[in-house]
Amino acid sequence: GAGVSQSPSNKVTEKGKDVELRCDPISGHTALYWYRQSLGQGLEFLIYFQGNSAPDKSGLPSDRFSAERTGGSVSTLTIQRTQQEDSAVYLCASSLAQDPSYNEQFFGPGTRLTVL
Amino acid sequence: SQKIEQNSEALNIQEGKTATLTCNYTNYSPAYLQWYRQDPGRGPVFLLLIRENEKEKRKERLKVTFDTTLKQSLFHITASQPADSATYLCALVSGGYNKLIFGAGTRLAVHP
Repeated sequence: GAGVSQSPSNKVTEKGKDVELRCDPISGHTALYWYRQSLGQGLEFLIYFQGNSAPDKSGLPSDRFSAERTGGSVSTLTIQRTQQEDSAVYLCASSLAQDPSYNEQFFGPGTRLTVL
Repeated sequence: SQKIEQNSEALNIQEGKTATLTCNYTNYSPAYLQWYRQDPGRGPVFLLLIRENEKEKRKERLKVTFDTTLKQSLFHITASQPADSATYLCALVSGGYNKLIFGAGTRLAVHP
């Protein structure tokens, strides 16, 4: 059984360019999350998708960040006009959300983004 | 303001001893709390979940306690091994919502 996969594993870009990060959740998981982790820091929540509901975008740090989830499966996180402070590891997680009292999240390996 | 605090300093212990990690929170009323392990360059891996009506949860050499009065969870690893060396993150859910808020983690180093 495949876990959560993310691509690319590493991305180096120049300041001002746009980047797209991809997440393939575990099949059947209705909830999908994006987090950002800066060096030596904890996970910072970015955005949450649950089924067909409107996503919770409360963690997106600026309007340069956006995400979509097509067909309730694959998700893409887009960062426009990247800045050096966007450099971090971007982690995706998915979970079965039918039972809200048990919400184990399964994480992908992350995408390390470096903005030069 | 809402905060989750974990000891930012690394915890160094000798193999065979019990490691105890602390997670304190303020201005949350979590329905449950989770612990994850993260190895360098990897995503976090779920370890244990404890609900607000549970005082203690065990899994093999792991034990988690949850004191809603003290607003604290303790994570214990008994008979620690060098392979237990990693960063341990606590995370909580407030209410029935699925959004997890993570602490910054505590790095554990178990020395032979």
